[in-house]
Amino acid sequence: NAGVTQTPKFQVLKTGQSMTLQCAQDMNHNSMYWYRQDPGMGLRLIYYSASEGTTDKGEVPNGYNVSRLNKREFSLRLESAAPSQTSVYFCASSPLGSYEQYFGPGTRLTVT
Amino acid sequence: QKEVEQNSGPLSVPEGAIASLNCTYSDRGSQSFFWYRQYSGKSPELIMFIYSNGDKEDGRFTAQLNKASQYVSLLIRDSQPSDSATYLCAVKPGNQFYFGTGTSLTVIP
Repeated sequence: NAGVTQTPKFQVLKTGQSMTLQCAQDMNHNSMYWYRQDPGMGLRLIYYSASEGTTDKGEVPNGYNVSRLNKREFSLRLESAAPSQTSVYFCASSPLGSYEQYFGPGTRLTVT
Repeated sequence: QKEVEQNSGPLSVPEGAIASLNCTYSDRGSQSFFWYRQYSGKSPELIMFIYSNGDKEDGRFTAQLNKASQYVSLLIRDSQPSDSATYLCAVKPGNQFYFGTGTSLTVIP
């Protein structure tokens, strides 16, 4: 099992460009999450999906959209990137009935 | 006030000593508490979770929870250089997880 995979690993965008971060898990987990991690700020939840077909806002959703494409895949879209969105983005998943999260390797995004 | 507060450190302990990491949280409704370890440049990995007041032991790790004081701690016994990492405390008061900023631990050989 690959666990949680994320693509790309690194990305540089110019202000105003758009992009989609991809996340997939092969553990048959129900819940999936998108976080960003910034120095001194810790991990902050952007959006989560408790189950296939549902998505909810987290702590810092502004500037982002998500799609739970199917049970395996949960994508994060930046429609118009801003320098404030420079961060490391982590996707995570957790199985039904458990709060244990399994994290992907992260995507390091720089917006210039 | 942030949901979860941790001393950012750095915390340095000699090899073989006990490392004590602390975390306080603001939401009294929180029921689930987690400790994650994150090596530099890597993703967080879960090392302990605790739901009930008291202590929970797993190998060299002990998590302690005091809901009345809204306090969670992690003790690492017989600290090893491989324990050098950032330790993140997380709580789950509802549907969302809230993480602290992490405490950086260095174990000195």
